[in-house]
Amino acid sequence: EVQLVESGGGLVQPGGSLRLSCAASGFTFSSYEMNWVRQAPGKGLEWVSYISSSGSTIYYADSVKGRFTISRDNAKNSLYLQMNSLRAEDTAVYYCARDQVLVRGVIITSTGAFDIWGQGTMVTVSS
Amino acid sequence: QSALTQPASVSGSPGQSITISCTGTSSDVGGYNYVSWYQQHPGKAPKLMIYEVSNRPSGVSNRFSGSKSGNTASLTISGLQAEDEADYYCSSYTSSSLRVFGGGTKLTVL
Repeated sequence: EVQLVESGGGLVQPGGSLRLSCAASGFTFSSYEMNWVRQAPGKGLEWVSYISSSGSTIYYADSVKGRFTISRDNAKNSLYLQMNSLRAEDTAVYYCARDQVLVRGVIITSTGAFDIWGQGTMVTVSS
Repeated sequence: QSALTQPASVSGSPGQSITISCTGTSSDVGGYNYVSWYQQHPGKAPKLMIYEVSNRPSGVSNRFSGSKSGNTASLTISGLQAEDEADYYCSSYTSSSLRVFGGGTKLTVL
């Protein structure tokens, strides 16, 4: 079964740090681009960060740039999000999400969609 | 990175059709055919319903369809069923190689 399982969430004080993990199974993790998406309580989805399959290309939303670091370990089938200088507005459920790729003939293309999501891990930033 | 614009809520009766709009700019929705739609039930992770504007993943009902005109994408659900009641989000690739979501639309089946 294709699956993503997040862990590492919890309660942290403003200014603190937290490292989230996402364990992948059921597919060839090293072949897929990955993302973190978050959802504040009662609010909508917000894309946070992207990492290419090799880890060589990374993007961040402006709201987290300079504070969050995305990384991956393809040998361990794992995705990570290091979150520093946390603020109250970072309080959210954090999901890892796989980029959808399709094979069209001999070409493999990304559709820009997120086809597999984890169940999420809650991060609460509060004193 | 402004969020795409969606109506906060829509409603319809069982069997009816509804359409949810998603308005962006030429730098996101209007510039690429990389618009996707997600369904989210309370307390659950989002589920991909439409990708590349109008394509359905395997297993998604053909009652769900997508389209785009200019900077506005749309999700139409026909033959509304009680289980369709959920939050719906659009998403687009952007010219900065980033992603952006809409604010979400709560669908109520009356």
